[in-house]
Amino acid sequence: QKEVEQDPGPLSVPEGAIVSLNCTYSNSAFQYFMWYRQYSRKGPELLMYTYSSGNKEDGRFTAQVDKSSKYISLFIRDSQPSDSATYLCAITSSGGSNYKLTFGKGTLLTVNP
Amino acid sequence: DAGVTQSPTHLIKTRGQQVTLRCSPISGHKSVSWYQQVLGQGPQFIFQYYEKEERGRGNFPDRFSARQFPNYSSELNVNALLLGDSALYLCASSSLLEETQYFGPGTRLLVL
Repeated sequence: QKEVEQDPGPLSVPEGAIVSLNCTYSNSAFQYFMWYRQYSRKGPELLMYTYSSGNKEDGRFTAQVDKSSKYISLFIRDSQPSDSATYLCAITSSGGSNYKLTFGKGTLLTVNP
Repeated sequence: DAGVTQSPTHLIKTRGQQVTLRCSPISGHKSVSWYQQVLGQGPQFIFQYYEKEERGRGNFPDRFSARQFPNYSSELNVNALLLGDSALYLCASSSLLEETQYFGPGTRLLVL
């Protein structure tokens, strides 16, 4: 079993739709959860970061963590064509500067005008 | 403030050659990590350096090596290149004050 599993997509939605992106993980030692957005041929850009179960909201984005189920989600409200990108979940087991990120495979999202 | 910078942006090499990739972290960040991203996959951890010392190594062969300089910039070296080394190589920096990593634009390496 992979440490982090991410819904493969691709996902295609109309503009204005609510998008749900999901990951599951196997190691209960994972404590810190991030979502990155990666446009084609670019580096990943940090979108959301959280370390506790529950919801964290930032504008149109909401990150949700359920540690009991080892399940994390990213919701995008009122999706825009500019949201079209690959979304990567990333998880790590410790904070500070001595850790590595374990990534999901990424979900390719296309928002159609 | 400038973000993480990487050079070169693109590189073409042939099998058996050696390559050096460079990274400058965000000002004030003392930790640099390297990741390999093959097309269609998420980034895979290669190395982490903090204060010029290796703090972590992923499951990559000894052909991969890295170092960090006193100014916290870093180099990733790959010897005896294989076709399978073709990928986007990403550098990320972080500081003690933030528990996450910020990525550069990457170096796209093609091995022919």
